[in-house]
Amino acid sequence: DTAVSQTPKYLVTQMGNDKSIKCEQNLGHDTMYWYKQDSKKFLKIMFSYNNKELIINETVPNRFSPKSPDKAHLNLHINSLELGDSAVYFCASSHRLGIQYFGAGTRLSVL
Amino acid sequence: SQKIEQNSEALNIQEGKTATLTCNYTNYSPAYLQWYRQDPGRGPVFLLLIRENEKEKRKERLKVTFDTTLKQSLFHITASQPADSATYLCALDNENYGGSQGNLIFGKGTKLSVKP
Repeated sequence: DTAVSQTPKYLVTQMGNDKSIKCEQNLGHDTMYWYKQDSKKFLKIMFSYNNKELIINETVPNRFSPKSPDKAHLNLHINSLELGDSAVYFCASSHRLGIQYFGAGTRLSVL
Repeated sequence: SQKIEQNSEALNIQEGKTATLTCNYTNYSPAYLQWYRQDPGRGPVFLLLIRENEKEKRKERLKVTFDTTLKQSLFHITASQPADSATYLCALDNENYGGSQGNLIFGKGTKLSVKP
């Protein structure tokens, strides 16, 4: 049983399109995250939600909008995709101790 | 703001030797520090957590030390095996959001290659 699952695994799209990535966790954690890992492999936090409330919103363009319908789900919608958005996006969840459990990643390629 | 430096982008060692990876931070002392392993095409996987009042933590062939005076953590893999080849990331709590909510900042990682 996958603990943190995100879909799709691969996403290839044209510049200017809008796309969504879905994430679900079955660990019962209260906190979920979105990270971006660029071509240099640097893993940087984008958003964090705790019990459906936004906790962290790093300097991310407002074309990126997270949505948490319940504490087990955190989706990421991206409007007007740009070439620089190409990266691997990871969803993660954690309990209060802070140990994070990551999904397998979504590799986004913007052409 | 806090900066994390993992001062080797890549480390190549021979099977059976001990691999030692370094993580330095520049600013405040975190409440805890974590190490993760990332394989190609996969998400990071948690390995060990060490708190600020702990000097050392062990798990099987893994050992982590934490020196708040030096602002450094060392991650050791003893009797290394080719299967240990991966990128290892250190992470610590993000001062901007408080240390207790699991909000982490990650280092860039060290890619370890263990040759048979």
